[in-house]
Amino acid sequence: DTGVSQNPRHKITKRGQNVTFRCDPISEHNRLYWYRQTLGQGPEFLTYFQNEAQLEKSRLLSDRFSAERPKGSFSTLEIQRTEQGDSAMYLCASSPGEASSPLHFGNGTRLTVT
Amino acid sequence: GQQVMQIPQYQHVQEGEDFTTYCNSSTTLSNIQWYKQRPGGHPVFLIQLVKSGEVKKQKRLTFQFGEAKKNSSLHITATQTTDVGTYFCAGPRYGKLTFGQGTILTVHP
Repeated sequence: DTGVSQNPRHKITKRGQNVTFRCDPISEHNRLYWYRQTLGQGPEFLTYFQNEAQLEKSRLLSDRFSAERPKGSFSTLEIQRTEQGDSAMYLCASSPGEASSPLHFGNGTRLTVT
Repeated sequence: GQQVMQIPQYQHVQEGEDFTTYCNSSTTLSNIQWYKQRPGGHPVFLIQLVKSGEVKKQKRLTFQFGEAKKNSSLHITATQTTDVGTYFCAGPRYGKLTFGQGTILTVHP
């Protein structure tokens, strides 16, 4: 169990640019979640996958955000035309599959949009 | 939608004092989970409570789940500097966890 791995750890980008983050979950976990966290707040749900199927996407998520998990293993989160309000920590988590299973979080990708 | 609220938002204690954070949900929960996030770190799972009125202990930490399964608490006895961090409760709903805003604990030696 090597844990959940996220890359990059930090990303600084200019407003209007596109960015992509990667998450490698724990290998035997079939559920993968993306959360966003800003300073002083709890993780905010963005989307999740059961294997390769994206089962839910937060209504708070604009169309500029898209996530994929093409083979049911790693996942990518892309943000197009970044805005300063997108600056946050993007956390990936995985779980064995039951809806109430505890989440195993990665170290996150900190995005700064200038 | 489901809301999970935590109080207090901040708690400053002297080392050796006790600490309690409270979690309230707007809806009944099938279970409640608690996580700890150290400064600069990521949330780490602590415990899950499932049964109404359940109490679980982990060394100096005591977790309770309310009878109505809508509230929970975490109590730390005799805090230590290693307890610093943010404590989150989280409740599942429709396949995803909803987190509270957390309680930030600082411990002064």
